[in-house]
Amino acid sequence: GENVEQHPSTLSVQEGDSAVIKCTYSDSASNYFPWYKQELGKGPQLIIDIRSNVGEKKDQRIAVTLNKTAKHFSLHITETQPEDSAVYFCAARDQGGGSYIPTFGRGTSLIVHP
Amino acid sequence: EAGVVQSPRYKIIEKKQPVAFWCNPISGHNTLYWYRQNLGQGPELLIRYENEEAVDDSQLPKDRFSAERLKGVDSTLKIQPAELGDSAVYLCASSSRGTSYEQYFGPGTRLTVT
Repeated sequence: GENVEQHPSTLSVQEGDSAVIKCTYSDSASNYFPWYKQELGKGPQLIIDIRSNVGEKKDQRIAVTLNKTAKHFSLHITETQPEDSAVYFCAARDQGGGSYIPTFGRGTSLIVHP
Repeated sequence: EAGVVQSPRYKIIEKKQPVAFWCNPISGHNTLYWYRQNLGQGPELLIRYENEEAVDDSQLPKDRFSAERLKGVDSTLKIQPAELGDSAVYLCASSSRGTSYEQYFGPGTRLTVT
């Protein structure tokens, strides 16, 4: 089955700095890579995703990159703000497999200091 | 549009007691998922329903866990008897073909077994 590794487990930055979270996956059949943000006491919320036919995707201050050859993908947050503080999860899924079940990384706790 | 609703939000029980969690998915979402999230980890799938049929329950500990989705809408997850190791957050999510099976999570139920 799929195995997703996520680093770092904790990331502390100053407000305005950039933050980068990296993930690797093992199953070459995976072709959909969502990122979730989980705030305290809430469920994970999808913030951005990328499909295997795209190398990069941006949405305002966040961007994701995908390297299928190396089987790794990354989340980039620019101009971080205190409200970006949360746990971020990457995931990998085979959209054509029929199960639509993502495998999640262990999460990165992002702390943005004002 | 209302999101995924779960209740209760918190539950504290003694080991060997039964417990039940309830989930109401987003209207029109035919796929429903139950996940368990241990502290410091990503969600792990317990069971997936397509309408009222359980189509992926390989990770559900069937000796003590059970689930149902009788009319293809609401779902209940039950543990009987609970063990100390069952302490976790139980997340419900739903999705539909119309949203490419992107999963929308509820806030979760935090279970503490003493």
